[in-house]
Amino acid sequence: GIQVEQSPPDLILQEGANSTLRCNFSDSVNNLQWFHQNPWGQLINLFYIPSGTKQNGRLSATTVATERYSLLYISSSQTTDSGVYFCAVDLSGSRLTFGEGTQLTVNP
Amino acid sequence: DAGVTQSPTHLIKTRGQHVTLRCSPISGHKSVSWYQQVLGQGPQFIFQYYEKEERGRGNFPDRFSARQFPNYSSELNVNALLLGDSALYLCASSLTGHYGYTFGSGTRLTVV
Repeated sequence: GIQVEQSPPDLILQEGANSTLRCNFSDSVNNLQWFHQNPWGQLINLFYIPSGTKQNGRLSATTVATERYSLLYISSSQTTDSGVYFCAVDLSGSRLTFGEGTQLTVNP
Repeated sequence: DAGVTQSPTHLIKTRGQHVTLRCSPISGHKSVSWYQQVLGQGPQFIFQYYEKEERGRGNFPDRFSARQFPNYSSELNVNALLLGDSALYLCASSLTGHYGYTFGSGTRLTVV
């Protein structure tokens, strides 16, 4: 099956810092989504981005489908950005395959 | 509009028992998927249903089953519970089942 690798596994930042999270995947995909999982377990959809670049406030994402990677940028980080960030891809149109996530901690 | 709703939010069961988890998709969404998330790992795909038909099944034993009702809500059933079934069970809905998944808050199952 398709492999999804996320890096770094853990990231600790001071409030106000910028960060880049990476997702590599092993095959061509129909769908790629970035999620933020809050401490209560809710998966919040950040971006649906199978290709190209999107921005939403302090967050932006870029997927280079031909090179099989995606990047999530967080600028001017806030303590509320803490949590686990997951990249998930869909190869066949029926299921998401998740990476292991990046645990982000933003300190005040 | 309400998002994806799951019930119950928390559940404690004994080994060998049976459990039923419920999910109501976003209004208008015809696809429901189930995922299991063990602590410290990413969610793992269990099932997808679209228009009441099973569209996909992950690598889970036959103790896991699901169904989708005419109103597109869904149930996940797990028989003969094992300690290893303790996890957060997440439900996701999408319009077509091909992209744009929205997740519920999950049911946290503890098997003792």
